[in-house]
Amino acid sequence: EAGVTQSPTHLIKTRGQQATLRCSPISGHTSVYWYQQALGLGLQFLLWYDEGEERNRGNFPPRFSGRQFPNYSSELNVNALELEDSALYLCASSPGSLTDTQYFGPGTRLTVL
Amino acid sequence: AQTVTQSQPEMSVQEAETVTLSCTYDTSESNYYLFWYKQPPSRQMILVIRQEAYKQQNATENRFSVNFQKAAKSFSLKISDSQLGDTAMYFCACTEGAGNMLTFGGGTRLMVKP
Repeated sequence: EAGVTQSPTHLIKTRGQQATLRCSPISGHTSVYWYQQALGLGLQFLLWYDEGEERNRGNFPPRFSGRQFPNYSSELNVNALELEDSALYLCASSPGSLTDTQYFGPGTRLTVL
Repeated sequence: AQTVTQSQPEMSVQEAETVTLSCTYDTSESNYYLFWYKQPPSRQMILVIRQEAYKQQNATENRFSVNFQKAAKSFSLKISDSQLGDTAMYFCACTEGAGNMLTFGGGTRLMVKP
C-alpha cells in the first residue's frame, strides 16, 4: 500500500511569489492535515481538510490556504511569500477525522529567497 | 493552549543499551491520544508508538515502550537494545480538539553510537 506522497520535494521561490504544494493521502483516507516545520519554531498545525471541506486552521495568516479535491488529495497555497515561510511542509492523512493516527508524507522543502 | 514539552534537546546512547526520552504535556481535553514520532535525516515522520489516554496499560511496540503517567501528564519513551537505525529526531505529540490535530513537542535528537 502506497504511503502519503508529496510534491515537489523541493521548491525555491522569491519573496512575493506564490507557492503550491501537493499531497496525496493513503488510499481510503479522507482527512488531510498540513503542518509547518520551521527552524526554531518546531512543528505547527496549519490546516485540516476532511471530506472536501476545510475543518480547522492553525494560527497562520489567510495567505496560507488550500483545498481538498474529490479524490481526497490536497493542495496548499501560500501567497505573497515571505522569507519566514521557508520551512518543511508536512502533509499527513488519517482514515477519518474521528480516528487518531496520522501518517505523514516525506514533506516539501520550501525555500524563499 | 495545549502544550507539549520535551526537556532533552539531545541525547546519546551506546548501541544495545537502553535510553528513555521524556515528555510532559498539558491539555484540557478529557479524551486524547499521545504519540511518539521518529524523524530520521530523510525527514519522513514515522509513527513509533501511540497511547490512548483512557487506557491505563502502557503501550509497547517491539523494542519501544512508554511510561504513561496520566495524573502527572507524563509520557516517556523507552528504547531497548538501541540500534544505529534509531538515530533520529523524536517528537512527542498530543491530539487536540475535534479532528485530532497534533500538538508537537520541540523534539529530542537521539544519537546511537557504535
